Amino acid sequence: GQQVMQIPQYQHVQEGEDFTTYCNSSTTLSNIQWYKQRPGGHPVFLIQLVKSGEVKKQKRLTFQFGEAKKNSSLHITATQTTDVGTYFCYEKLTFGTGTRLTIIP
Amino acid sequence: DVKVTQSSRYLVKRTGEKVFLECVQDMDHENMFWYRQDPGLGLRLIYFSYDVKMKEKGDIPEGYSVSREKKERFSLILESASTNQTSMYLCASSLRQGVSPLHFGNGTRLTVT
Repeated sequence: GQQVMQIPQYQHVQEGEDFTTYCNSSTTLSNIQWYKQRPGGHPVFLIQLVKSGEVKKQKRLTFQFGEAKKNSSLHITATQTTDVGTYFCYEKLTFGTGTRLTIIP
Repeated sequence: DVKVTQSSRYLVKRTGEKVFLECVQDMDHENMFWYRQDPGLGLRLIYFSYDVKMKEKGDIPEGYSVSREKKERFSLILESASTNQTSMYLCASSLRQGVSPLHFGNGTRLTVT
């Protein structure tokens, strides 16, 4: 099946630092969704990107879809302890490998 | 708000037992999914269903079967549980496949001894 790779696998940041996770596909994506899973919880939908080059913002979170629709990124500005969790991209039944974010207070 | 309910949060079964994991959604969604989640392996699709009595294999269907007799209910069956099926099982539903968000249940942590 399709593989969607995410990097990095883990990220440890000081509270207040920025964080970015990247999702890369070898094939063109029709759309991409992003999910957040808190420790002990289940994945929760954050956003969907559809158009080439699309950028969407949710408060401190910025989501981008690449021009070629083969990659996407999630950027968090000034992380807070509530941002802790694993972030997944998702397209056509397949989840990315996930990036686990931990924050040092 | 969509509610996806999985019947058990924790389950312990013995090797060789037949195990049923139940999932119910209350939003009349067409699509339902079963994923398993293991450390280092992420979320892997076992089976999905896009309509009543319809089912499609995902990436790792071996050792599992599913049943969807009613739109709101999607059951995952382990015909003969094995220790390598110890995992977190997550059920999800969506309105339109590929374009609508997935709504997940709280998960069932299954241990097979």
